[in-house]
Amino acid sequence: EAGVAQSPRYKIIEKRQSVAFWCNPISGHATLYWYQQILGQGPKLLIQFQNNGVVDDSQLPKDRFSAERLKGVDSTLKIQPAKLEDSAVYLCASSPRLAGVPDTQYFGPGTRLTVL
Amino acid sequence: LAKTTQPISMDSYEGQEVNITCSHNNIATNDYITWYQQFPSQGPRFIIQGYKTKVTNEVASLFIPADRKSSTLSLPRVSLSDTAVYYCLVASGGGRRALTFGSGTRLQVQP
Repeated sequence: EAGVAQSPRYKIIEKRQSVAFWCNPISGHATLYWYQQILGQGPKLLIQFQNNGVVDDSQLPKDRFSAERLKGVDSTLKIQPAKLEDSAVYLCASSPRLAGVPDTQYFGPGTRLTVL
Repeated sequence: LAKTTQPISMDSYEGQEVNITCSHNNIATNDYITWYQQFPSQGPRFIIQGYKTKVTNEVASLFIPADRKSSTLSLPRVSLSDTAVYYCLVASGGGRRALTFGSGTRLQVQP
């Protein structure tokens, strides 16, 4: 079974520039998550999709971050404009089930963003 | 969401058993305890999940006492490749909530 794919793996930009990350979840997984992981910290949820609808975006800085999940499959996360504090690893994860015991989340390798 | 507390770091040697304890005093009735492992430059990976008593798989064991206010992840005979950060999480049995990660426990295995 193919895992969660993310691209690019690394990105370096200057502050105030824009950047986009792409995620392809495991086939058939209904739920997709974007996490931000700052060095030395655990991942922090940015947004959660159920199919192509948003379940939770309470921690997404909506003035600069946006995300969409086209047709309930792939997803993109955009930052515009970027700030220095956005330097982090952006992780995408997906999980297969809608309810019941907590889903196992499958994480991609992440995109390391450096804002200069 | 129940908050978890776990040691910041631990050291061990190859071949030893490692036990990482996590406290979650305000765990709810329908919450499960879940552990993830993260290697450098990789996303977290699911290790084990349990609700009560003991759960064992090919990688680890998870011990949960009757009051469920703490849990212990046990890694038998660790090797250098077990050097990683281990996260203890409490996840709702409803299954739709995202995971709330703490800072995790950084395990360093020495030769």
